[in-house]
Amino acid sequence: EAQVTQNPRYLITVTGKKLTVTCSQNMNHEYMSWYRQDPGLGLRQIYYSMNVEVTDKGDVPEGYKVSRKEKRNFPLILESPSPNQTSLYFCASSLLAGVRETQYFGPGTRLLVL
Amino acid sequence: DAKTTQPPSMDCAEGRAANLPCNHSTISGNEYVYWYRQIHSQGPQYIIHGLKNNETNEMASLIITEDRKSSTLILPHATLRDTAVYYCIVGDNLFFGTGTRLTVIP
Repeated sequence: EAQVTQNPRYLITVTGKKLTVTCSQNMNHEYMSWYRQDPGLGLRQIYYSMNVEVTDKGDVPEGYKVSRKEKRNFPLILESPSPNQTSLYFCASSLLAGVRETQYFGPGTRLLVL
Repeated sequence: DAKTTQPPSMDCAEGRAANLPCNHSTISGNEYVYWYRQIHSQGPQYIIHGLKNNETNEMASLIITEDRKSSTLILPHATLRDTAVYYCIVGDNLFFGTGTRLTVIP
């Protein structure tokens, strides 16, 4: 089944404790991205990747890192999480670099930073 | 990329057509209009997209005005499972605003 998976789905952590949220797609898509969703603000793009080893900042990249060493995986790294990073996170992928291509979203990761 | 304006919420009776409007007055000639929906904190789901002609698929129809400054997503026979937030997006960077919360009423 074609899908985007994220792990973990739920995470509670404390300020400053490094964490990684994994994202994987099995559709051989080139384009992947991360969004966060907060009440009243819609989805905001954090980082995106056009292809392996190519990443770029989205609208709200501060406090986040990403890497794209393999085509299928696009982990989101919070080196020193803070409470303002408490949010619902979505990973997405599309066949090509976001141009007129349907984006497929993962199920979401709900993060609480205490 | 152009921005969009949508009503924050709408209600629709079950079985009736749901017509969701979107204004995108600053759209440029080569920008597509996309519609996604998000059901209760699940990942957004693609619905349909178009450039200037009306489009229809198994989920919905998309009507784009001739001047392309607005569009309407039509769910022909809304069901309770169509209750969701619907996002109208213009351009290729997929900027999601706050969308329209559609509630289908039994």
